[in-house]
Amino acid sequence: QSALTQPPSASGSPGQSVTISCTGTSSDVGAYNYVSWYQQYPGKAPKVMIYEVNKRPSGVPDRFSGSKSGNTASLTVSGLQAEDEADYYCTSHAGSNNAFVFGTGTRVTVL
Amino acid sequence: QLQLQESGPGLVKPSETLSLTCAVSGGSFTSSWWNWVRQPPGKGLEWIGEVHHSGLINYNPSLKSRVTISADKSKNQFSLKLNSVTAADTAFYFCANSPGSYRFDHWGQGTLVTVSS
Repeated sequence: QSALTQPPSASGSPGQSVTISCTGTSSDVGAYNYVSWYQQYPGKAPKVMIYEVNKRPSGVPDRFSGSKSGNTASLTVSGLQAEDEADYYCTSHAGSNNAFVFGTGTRVTVL
Repeated sequence: QLQLQESGPGLVKPSETLSLTCAVSGGSFTSSWWNWVRQPPGKGLEWIGEVHHSGLINYNPSLKSRVTISADKSKNQFSLKLNSVTAADTAFYFCANSPGSYRFDHWGQGTLVTVSS
């Protein structure tokens, strides 16, 4: 089981958009519409921002959106705000006895 | 509001067994899968495994030989045991629930376990 691949860092100015990729294989990201994204501040537990590729839990701003094409999922944060500066992780279902695989994580910096 | 709270020793000696418990409150223990996730300081997240109240269990293949996860629905809690620990097992350990659709909805605050003699 290999971790999903994310860029180590991404950045944008306030008001701009940033997109983070999450690349897996045909056994995880490509096989299931069960990709979710988590935001994590230093010293805190992660928080789900997107689930089932493009669904937002109640309370998550609509500035956060998700998509998937083939073996790669993406998280887009539009209208960047200072509070969006955090680490972001994707995860995908990876088969019946291998429920979850995480991405390597991306640190988003708001310039 | 569902709440999860990890508890257990913060220091474990090499080659010994790491044991943690997650107490669940404010929600139904029978409505979710219950997970353990860890994060070495300054590094990424790693899924360890999950348990259902029915007794079904799934483990990360890379840890399967050393991990045991169990659930006690009479106490609304679930547990993690990781044996033969080394310094590489030093991490923040989180418990989290998965109500379906393979996502983690609620998380504990995390607990740091250090493996050191």
